Amino acid sequence: EADIYQTPRYLVIGTGKKITLECSQTMGHDKMYWYQQDPGMELHLIHYSYGVNSTEKGDLSSESTVSRIRTEHFPLTLESARPSHTSQYLCASGTWNEQFFGPGTRLTVL
Amino acid sequence: KQEVTQIPAALSVPEGENLVLNCSFTDSAIYNLQWFRQDPGKGLTSLLLIQSSQREQTSGRLNASLDKSSGRSTLYIAASQPGDSATYLCAVRPNSGGSNYKLTFGKGTLLTVNP
Repeated sequence: EADIYQTPRYLVIGTGKKITLECSQTMGHDKMYWYQQDPGMELHLIHYSYGVNSTEKGDLSSESTVSRIRTEHFPLTLESARPSHTSQYLCASGTWNEQFFGPGTRLTVL
Repeated sequence: KQEVTQIPAALSVPEGENLVLNCSFTDSAIYNLQWFRQDPGKGLTSLLLIQSSQREQTSGRLNASLDKSSGRSTLYIAASQPGDSATYLCAVRPNSGGSNYKLTFGKGTLLTVNP
């Protein structure tokens, strides 16, 4: 079954640690996205990719970085986590017409 | 800059009631509008997608309408059930070439259906 996966689902980590949030999709979509969502707030686009080796920053400034070496994989990395990075991170993939979302990663930085 | 507003922010209804959620957007130059459902701590599930040329879409007990010229969409839920309790988000996709990938989301309506 075609789907989009995110791991870990929950992560609690100390300040200064390097973390990578994983996102994979089996739908063969060229386009993938990372959103950040604080409780009760809108989703904000932080990164997107049109395809392999294509990444761009979104509307919301983020200290995270992304890579797209394979079509199905779009990991997000924070080199040095800070409490201000505490949030929910949602990955999506899709076509020009529609986006499909993963279950999200809830990140807490202490 | 596109802005999406959802009213009400929260809604509590008894089971079995029909209800309407509202979404308005400031720029009518949209490609499509998508309604999502989000359960607490979870990702988004797509409910209905309305293309700019369409007036409404239906799926089961859900019906979404779109009035592009007035910048409004409604999500109608018939015979609500406790399992419908969730946050409902609407998002618009612009009809502007290079920015077509950028969805603009509302803050959502938190729906609680009481048994």
